[in-house]
Amino acid sequence: DVKVTQSSRYLVKRTGEKVFLECVQDMDHENMFWYRQDPGLGLRLIYFSYDVKMKEKGDIPEGYSVSREKKERFSLILESASTNQTSMYLCASSLMGGLNTEAFFGQGTRLTVV
Amino acid sequence: TQLLEQSPQFLSIQEGENLTVYCNSSSVFSSLQWYRQEPGEGPVLLVTVVTGGEVKKLKRLTFQFGDARKDSSLHITAAQPGDTGLYLCAGAVANAGKSTFGDGTTLTVKP
Repeated sequence: DVKVTQSSRYLVKRTGEKVFLECVQDMDHENMFWYRQDPGLGLRLIYFSYDVKMKEKGDIPEGYSVSREKKERFSLILESASTNQTSMYLCASSLMGGLNTEAFFGQGTRLTVV
Repeated sequence: TQLLEQSPQFLSIQEGENLTVYCNSSSVFSSLQWYRQEPGEGPVLLVTVVTGGEVKKLKRLTFQFGDARKDSSLHITAAQPGDTGLYLCAGAVANAGKSTFGDGTTLTVKP
């Protein structure tokens, strides 16, 4: 069974804290993605990565950074958490290139910033 | 920016009814995926369509890709409570590596 695993299902953090969200995939996929999902706004792409140590900004990168030191692991970092970053965070992975961009998602991390 | 519009946004029906949800864009996509997401979980891939006019069936679910590859539909026959969830479409251009997601259709099937 292919798998994308996010390190936490639920997190509660305080405003100003540095927050790390971890994601690991076991499918040897080149591409990895971080999205946030909010009611009425759909899935919005924060950052994605095509390869180790490579990253590209998505649609809403402000307030976030990422790290990809190994192919299987993609981390999302909130440098100084704010209440407007309370959201459902979804990690995904996919194969590189071609016609097909099928994504496999993790179970999500529900982050609450208080 | 390639936008995908899904309709309806919300749909509530009785068990046994049929339904169709739509995914429309002004952009041409090389492939389009449909996902279903249950509350508190990540989206799960249902199907990928890549050829204009293509029709794929998955049990009671029928997926169609428009001839011009700009739109798609999902038809569910005899809906069941287990079909309840958020249905998302996502389109991509060739070798782009990333997809654009629609905002989704929230389906509730009442017993």
